[in-house]
Amino acid sequence: DGGITQSPKYLFRKEGQNVTLSCEQNLNHDAMYWYRQDPGQGLRLIYYSQIVNDFQKGDIAEGYSVSREKKESFPLTVTSAQKNPTAFYLCASRRLAGGPEQFFGPGTRLTVL
Amino acid sequence: EDQVTQSPEALRLQEGESSSLNCSYTVSGLRGLFWYRQDPGKGPEFLFTLYSAGEEKEKERLKATLTKKESFLHITAPKPEDSATYLCAVQAWGASAGGTSYGKLTFGQGTILTVHP
Repeated sequence: DGGITQSPKYLFRKEGQNVTLSCEQNLNHDAMYWYRQDPGQGLRLIYYSQIVNDFQKGDIAEGYSVSREKKESFPLTVTSAQKNPTAFYLCASRRLAGGPEQFFGPGTRLTVL
Repeated sequence: EDQVTQSPEALRLQEGESSSLNCSYTVSGLRGLFWYRQDPGKGPEFLFTLYSAGEEKEKERLKATLTKKESFLHITAPKPEDSATYLCAVQAWGASAGGTSYGKLTFGQGTILTVHP
């Protein structure tokens, strides 16, 4: 079955540590996105990538980094520079030649202890 | 700046009690308006895309409509399994960087729907 997978489902981090969240898709989608969701707020865009080896900052990129070495994979690193990292992180993808809708993975909940 | 406001924040219904959720938006040239369903602790599930005023789409007990300023998600005879958070998002034709559209979605804060048996 095609889809988007994110791992781990839950992640705990101590202050000052960097952590990497995984996002993999087998939908042959070109573009991939990372969003952050906080209670009572809409999803906010962190980074996006349309092709391999290219990515752009979204609205809240400070304290985050990404890579896009393979079409299927778009990992997100939450660095120690991110002041309030506790949140629900969602990865999405879409096919550039298809419709504008994005399809989401199951999410990773990050908690900073 | 694109903005999306959803109302009400929370809605409680009895099973079979039909109602509507509202999504008001301001955007510089609408490319698409999207409705998603999100269950607790899970990623959003795509429901509908609406492109122009007057358009309607249906799926089971859900019907989405679009005007130039807002969209409604009508729920007919809801069941407890319809309980979820419903998210609305818009994408503008101008959502681009370096001349290439990157498909940025602007989301509302969601409406939490609870349907009691």
